[in-house]
Order: sequence, then C-alpha cells, then structure tokens
Amino acid sequence: DTAVSQTPKYLVTQMGNDKSIKCEQNLGHDTMYWYKQDSKKFLKIMFSYNNKELIINETVPNRFSPKSPDKAHLNLHINSLELGDSAVYFCASSQRGPGTGYGYTFGSGTRLTVV
Amino acid sequence: EDQVTQSPEALRLQEGESSSLNCSYTVSGLRGLFWYRQDPGKGPEFLFTLYSAGEEKEKERLKATLTKKESFLHITAPKPEDSATYLCAVQGGGGSQGNLIFGKGTKLSVKP
Repeated sequence: DTAVSQTPKYLVTQMGNDKSIKCEQNLGHDTMYWYKQDSKKFLKIMFSYNNKELIINETVPNRFSPKSPDKAHLNLHINSLELGDSAVYFCASSQRGPGTGYGYTFGSGTRLTVV
Repeated sequence: EDQVTQSPEALRLQEGESSSLNCSYTVSGLRGLFWYRQDPGKGPEFLFTLYSAGEEKEKERLKATLTKKESFLHITAPKPEDSATYLCAVQGGGGSQGNLIFGKGTKLSVKP
C-alpha cells in the first residue's frame, strides 16, 4: 500500500546510456514532482507536473525529461547519462499544485550510479 | 530568491538531553514551512506544517514553532530512535514557482 512508489530502487549504468525511472502515486493527488538529492544530501526541485502543465527548474539539463501518461504516474527519462548525474532521485506528490500550502509525500528514492 | 538555512549541520545528544534545531528562511509570500525526517536510504517523511508566525505543533517528543524569520524544532528527552536527518522546507507564493525549497538538513545522533 505504498503511497508513492518508485522503480528501480538502484540503477547502475554506463556513461552515455539512456535510462528511465518510474513513479506512481495512489493518493489521488493532483501534482507530481521530481527532486534530486546530491552527495551532500541537498534536495533540489527538478520538475513539477500539474494538470498537464510542466514547470521545469531552469538549471536542469534538457537531457532530463518527465513523461506523464496519466495523473498517477510521472516517469523520468534521462538521455546520454553523465558521471555528474549520479545521485538519489525522489518522486513526490501533493494534493494540490505548488504554492497552495500542501505538503509533499515522497517516494523512497532511486539511487542512480553512472560509471 | 527563496532560501532556507539550517543549523547546526550535525548534533550529537545523549538520550534524554533536550535541544533545538534551527531553520532560518527568506521567502516571498510564505504558504507554509515544513519539517521532514529522513532516515538513511529512505525518502523524507512528513512531520509538520506551520503556516503563520506564532503557530506551534507537537508530535510525541517533537515540537515545532514558527516566527517571521525562523522555525525551531524542539526535541524533548530524545531517544536513540529519534536519530535521523531533519529537513526544513519553505513554500512561497511567488519565487521558486511555489515549490518546496529545502535546507541542507541537521543530522541528529542520539546516543543511549
């Protein structure tokens, strides 16, 4: 009965490969997000997706692209992986969109290692 | 630009030794200040939301308070199971597109 679930939990891949991380929420929330947690444990927003509106953090390279087949899913595709992409990626969801005062529910994370 | 600064970076306490964690923030139009707990290898787990200065919330040994510039997470008589990283985040109405902006966290260790 996991509220926000991500797969895979661990992902090891070579530089230059393309990979995807899947995320699903069963909370009926309107909005989903991707965050990146670097080696210093700092969480930074990458994307928010609400009602087919995508808001991208301007610092995110265009090799990263979110895809949402429906309101309950937000997958993350990464092209041409680089060593610096190694991090833990967290999916999250909230009942309403950004700036509405609702907190986020996080998944358990996907640890991506690029070798 | 919305910003969150947490201190100290790390805190070691003996079991039963009460203390406080600090979260200083600047935000354009505060919509909420959030406290999360993160255990190693897991995602952040929601603890509290505070919406306006003067508000307080409690849960077991934890109490969160809010002023116009900072929030405190008070831990009373902590136990070893309270060991974790505590994250503070703010959500504004304008800057950062209204997303949660996190501090770098305070890593709490409670020794028996």
